[in-house]
This record gives sequence, structure tokens and C-alpha cells, in this order.
Amino acid sequence: GAGVSQSPRYKVAKRGQDVALRCDPISGHVSLFWYQQALGQGPEFLTYFQNEAQLDKSGLPSDRFFAERPEGSVSTLKIQRTQQEDSAVYLCASSLGDRGSGANVLTFGAGSRLTVL
Amino acid sequence: GQNIDQPTEMTATEGAIVQINCTYQTSGFNGLFWYQQHAGEAPTFLSYNVLDGLEEKGRFSSFLSRSKGYSYLLLKELQMKDSASYLCAVSDSNYQLIWGAGTKLIIKP
Repeated sequence: GAGVSQSPRYKVAKRGQDVALRCDPISGHVSLFWYQQALGQGPEFLTYFQNEAQLDKSGLPSDRFFAERPEGSVSTLKIQRTQQEDSAVYLCASSLGDRGSGANVLTFGAGSRLTVL
Repeated sequence: GQNIDQPTEMTATEGAIVQINCTYQTSGFNGLFWYQQHAGEAPTFLSYNVLDGLEEKGRFSSFLSRSKGYSYLLLKELQMKDSASYLCAVSDSNYQLIWGAGTKLIIKP
């Protein structure tokens, strides 16, 4: 597609519910990143995919967070048993090259705003 | 630890010039990025510096000094649409992007 699409844009969940956030990157982009952004803060790295391989998941805050990109295109971030501290905007970004390729410019989606009550 | 510092908020007048500073301490350096983020929207790429010096792109310029761990973003001929947050990010030795908290720029008529 022309840009990175994320859905849903807004999600309200009750504490303890599971949520799934979807990211549709730019077609042909090798790299896909998930970030968490709190209000008034910069993005915090969660995980990185190169095609279908999850090469870095060092930023996932707990084992309740899980991400996949099974066919190397669309990715899903799943949060199990949501907690109030999970409330944030979840940003997805993709790039043409791999993470180590010089000026690796990221194209971001508009994000999914998760509110856990 | 790794750290990126930028001012929280700045105010400037339409038509003027503003400089947003960013200082960093990271494990390794593989380039510095500036992104613009309007409220509720996606961050969008502005500039990339990997060598010392000034990179100019229209009304926006970005400067880097690797020895000082310092960069700035210079915005000229400010327009109301430039009201946004400006994020500084450094690519570390593992090509992991370390982000600052962003500088909220308020433009007044």
C-alpha cells in the first residue's frame, strides 16, 4: 500500500482482556518495528522483524506481549491479560532495508491507541 | 545507560527561526535522525546525519557534532503548520534507535 496502516486506531479494553493490534506495512519493506509511545514521550522499542524472522524482541515488557509476522508482510501485536500500565499508543513502522543498512528511514503508521480500564 | 536529551517545549513566532538542540550519550553511533510528529499522527522523517556538519533541506537544516554528542534542528521561516513535536533519535552500535522524549514546538502568530 501507499503507507503503513494500523488497526484498530482506538481500542478500549477491560483489565484482563486480550487485544490484537494489526500492522500492514508498505509492500516490499523488509523491516518491521513495533514501538510503544506514552503521552509526551518518544517511542520505546518493542520488537523488530526482518521479513518473517523476529530478530529482536528485547523491548517486549513481559511475556504477556507477543508479536508475529508469519508471511513477512502483515504483523500482529498481541497483548494478553491487559493491565492499566499497557495503556499507550502502539506504533508500527517499516523500512525498505534491514536495520543495519545505513540511513534506515522508518515510515510509521498512525498508531493504535489502547486504553485499558 | 543510553540517553537522549532535548528541551521539553519551545515557543517561537511565525516567520522567525528556531533551533532545537539534542544531546546524546549512546553505546556507539550509527547516525542521528530527526522526525516530526503532529499530535495524534505518525512521526515523519525529516533528516539523517552520520557525518559532522550541516545538512540543508529547504526550510529545515540539521547539524551534527559527533565529538560533542550534539545535534540541532534549525527551522527557518516558521509557519503555523510547523507546530508539532520534534523527535531526535540515535542509532546505536546495534542499529537500535534510541529516542528522545521530543520537543513540543508552539508557533505563535
